[in-house]
Amino acid sequence: GENVEQHPSTLSVQEGDSAVIKCTYSDSASNYFPWYKQELGKGPQLIIDIRSNVGEKKDQRIAVTLNKTAKHFSLHITETQPEDSAVYFCAASKGGSYIPTFGRGTSLIVHP
Amino acid sequence: NAGVTQTPKFRVLKTGQSMTLLCAQDMNHEYMYWYRQDPGMGLRLIHYSVGEGTTAKGEVPDGYNVSRLKKQNFLLGLESAAPSQTSVYFCASVASGVQETQYFGPGTRLLVL
Repeated sequence: GENVEQHPSTLSVQEGDSAVIKCTYSDSASNYFPWYKQELGKGPQLIIDIRSNVGEKKDQRIAVTLNKTAKHFSLHITETQPEDSAVYFCAASKGGSYIPTFGRGTSLIVHP
Repeated sequence: NAGVTQTPKFRVLKTGQSMTLLCAQDMNHEYMYWYRQDPGMGLRLIHYSVGEGTTAKGEVPDGYNVSRLKKQNFLLGLESAAPSQTSVYFCASVASGVQETQYFGPGTRLLVL
């Protein structure tokens, strides 16, 4: 089955800095890669996703890049703010299976 | 729309007791899931359902049972709770089609003593 590795497990940055979280996947058939943000005491919420026919996708301060050859994808957050502090999960799935495999999560701490 | 709701929010059980966690969604989604979240382990799939009356095992199904008698509800049962089942449980739902976004509930925190 699919295996998703996520690094780092904890990331501490100063407000205004950029943050990068990286994930690798094992199944070359995976073609859908969502990122979820989980704030304290809440359920995860989708923030951005990318499909394998696209190399990069941006939405304001967040972007996701995908390297199909190397089987890794990354989340980039620019100009970080304290409200970006949360746990971020990457996931991978085969389109149409609706069964994602999640990474173990990254705790992002943004210091004011 | 309330989205995905979970009942209860928090529960303490003694070893060997049973309980049922309820998940409800009002978005007419076909797919529903139960995950558990433990520190450093991410989200692990317990069971899922691809439609009313159907269920399937996920990555960590042992010790749990599920039922989906109505499309909007997905129940997770613990027949004989064990301390290893202390966790935060999340329900999620997905609409069938191109969009595969998982909509999560707020979670149920379970402590088994």
